Amino acid sequence: LAKTTQPISMDSYEGQEVNITCSHNNIATNDYITWYQQFPSQGPRFIIQGYKTKVTNEVASLFIPADRKSSTLSLPRVSLSDTAVYYCLVGDMGTGANNLFFGTGTRLTVIP
Amino acid sequence: DVKVTQSSRYLVKRTGEKVFLECVQDMDHENMFWYRQDPGLGLRLIYFSYDVKMKEKGDIPEGYSVSREKKERFSLILESASTNQTSMYLCASSSLGLAGGHSTYEQYFGPGTRLTVT
Repeated sequence: LAKTTQPISMDSYEGQEVNITCSHNNIATNDYITWYQQFPSQGPRFIIQGYKTKVTNEVASLFIPADRKSSTLSLPRVSLSDTAVYYCLVGDMGTGANNLFFGTGTRLTVIP
Repeated sequence: DVKVTQSSRYLVKRTGEKVFLECVQDMDHENMFWYRQDPGLGLRLIYFSYDVKMKEKGDIPEGYSVSREKKERFSLILESASTNQTSMYLCASSSLGLAGGHSTYEQYFGPGTRLTVT
């Protein structure tokens, strides 16, 4: 089963690039890697998803090495509004929801 | 935009009461989920449903049951609420997409229900 491990918290100054790494040593062949963002008093919101190599969208990039045992969410030039908890989720719906694992999340604090 | 709504933002119940948490989604999604979120423990899956009347247990189903009589509605039931069920409850829905032969998904979450059991 693909358990995930993330740093509990990170601090960054405004304008810097932030990289948050998630470890998933037991990732299965069919598992996808998904990152979510959660603000206080809200449900998590999808940011980005990938299977291997690199994925980029308008808000973030996701780097996945060849062995897929970890992944890194990269947020370019963070602002105060990026202060949130970021969750890494690994799994494959095709094998049932019990294969979906959220990490405990990384609390990112952006400092002015 | 996908919308997932939950019946209450805040709920206070007494120990032993039967509690119903309702979730409705408006995007015709096949899959619906119930999670609880506790400090330091992240999101833990309670139950999952992939179709009407179909359900699967998640990581922590004990003390909970679910009902899905209509595709858009997924209910979480606490048969006899206990203080250790005080938590934030999050509902989510997703479709089931396929890319390159593997299953993909994007879950859309509701705002959550903060339940306090006294």
